[in-house]
Amino acid sequence: RKEVEQDPGPFNVPEGATVAFNCTYSNSASQSFFWYRQDCRKEPKLLMSVYSSGNEDGRFTAQLNRASQYISLLIRDSKLSDSATYLCVVNNANAGKSTFGDGTTLTVKP
Amino acid sequence: EPEVTQTPSHQVTQMGQEVILRCVPISNHLYFYWYRQILGQKVEFLVSFYNNEISEKSEIFDDQFSVERPDGSNFTLKIRSTKLEDSAMYFCASSVESQDYGYTFGSGTRLTVV
Repeated sequence: RKEVEQDPGPFNVPEGATVAFNCTYSNSASQSFFWYRQDCRKEPKLLMSVYSSGNEDGRFTAQLNRASQYISLLIRDSKLSDSATYLCVVNNANAGKSTFGDGTTLTVKP
Repeated sequence: EPEVTQTPSHQVTQMGQEVILRCVPISNHLYFYWYRQILGQKVEFLVSFYNNEISEKSEIFDDQFSVERPDGSNFTLKIRSTKLEDSAMYFCASSVESQDYGYTFGSGTRLTVV
């Protein structure tokens, strides 16, 4: 089983749509969680951290369910500029590294 | 906004040659990382570096790879004898305290081994 598993996508949605991405992780000792965004042939950029209480940043909402080892990202009112690959990232306790999911590609169409 | 700077942006090298990829992390960051991404594939961890030593490395980071922080600002990745399969985008990243705070990535060096 992969350490971090994401919806394979791709997701093709119209502007203004709400879209949700899911991610599961295998190591119950994982301690911190993130969503990154990667544009084609560019570096990953930190979008938001994910907390058990859930957190929101404008149109973006991230949720963590430790019991189910599941992370989600919700994007409301999609914009064309949201088109990118979204990477789920998990850090294990005492590990000096982050493990990236394969990414889910989103295309927002006019 | 502070940046992680990587040079060169693109390097072409012959198989068997040594390459050095350079990175200047954000000045007040303490943790440094190298990741790589083969075209069309996922981002893969290579090595993390803290307090002038490697804190963790992956199976990919074998004896052909080494990292160094030769002065207070640069952080380098050396590949001693490049193979075709080393062709990838190499990303340097830094973090203010640890990976729990998320990373800032540089724009990457595209390494092409021919």
